Amino acid sequence: AQKVTQAQTEISVVEKEDVTLDCVYETRDTTYYLFWYKQPPSGELVFLIRRNSFDEQNEISGRYSWNFQKSTSSFNFTITASQVVDSAVYFCALSRSPSNTGNQFYFGTGTSLTVIP
Amino acid sequence: GAVVSQHPSWVICKSGTSVKIECRSLDFQATTMFWYRQFPKQSLMLMATSNEGSKATYEQGVEKDKFLINHASLTLSTLTVTSAHPEDSSFYICSARAQGQGHSYEQYFGPGTRLTVT
Repeated sequence: AQKVTQAQTEISVVEKEDVTLDCVYETRDTTYYLFWYKQPPSGELVFLIRRNSFDEQNEISGRYSWNFQKSTSSFNFTITASQVVDSAVYFCALSRSPSNTGNQFYFGTGTSLTVIP
Repeated sequence: GAVVSQHPSWVICKSGTSVKIECRSLDFQATTMFWYRQFPKQSLMLMATSNEGSKATYEQGVEKDKFLINHASLTLSTLTVTSAHPEDSSFYICSARAQGQGHSYEQYFGPGTRLTVT
């Protein structure tokens, strides 16, 4: 069975602080994909990143960085120098191989981030 | 990039009435679409998987007679909430699984539909 755990329900940081959002996943598949989405108050999911299970390279995109470690089944997300606009709910998700017709998304419970000016 | 639209973006209806929500893939074909439901301050939970030309597959605990799903074409899936009640008030999000056209079966999410039943 697939499962995604985001242990942090709510986080508050002061602007310009760095913050790391944790994500731990469970799956028996050897091929899978991991995602992070941002959900602002409007509700629309904003895609941030997708990693496949064979690519453990960490990635940096501007102030965002991701640390994928298969050994600990974690896919953590760090925002550097946080800004007020980063305030949102962030979801980590897992999907099975794209060739699997049942490749629904399994979402974590989300982490609500508040950046205080 | 691939775009998925949902209509309406929000709807208020009276208890006992039915509401139809449309999910369209605008620039790609989607043989499979997924419907998720999100209650306030909660995660997204899969309700059903919709396959073009066949019956939808519902997740455990989701009433198929209450949440009617139709996937009549490769670009449109509809979710009809029949005899809606206040407890059906939620945020409904669809995703479309792209096939071919260089999309490699990627999924794209719609912007969501906020349903309020009074």
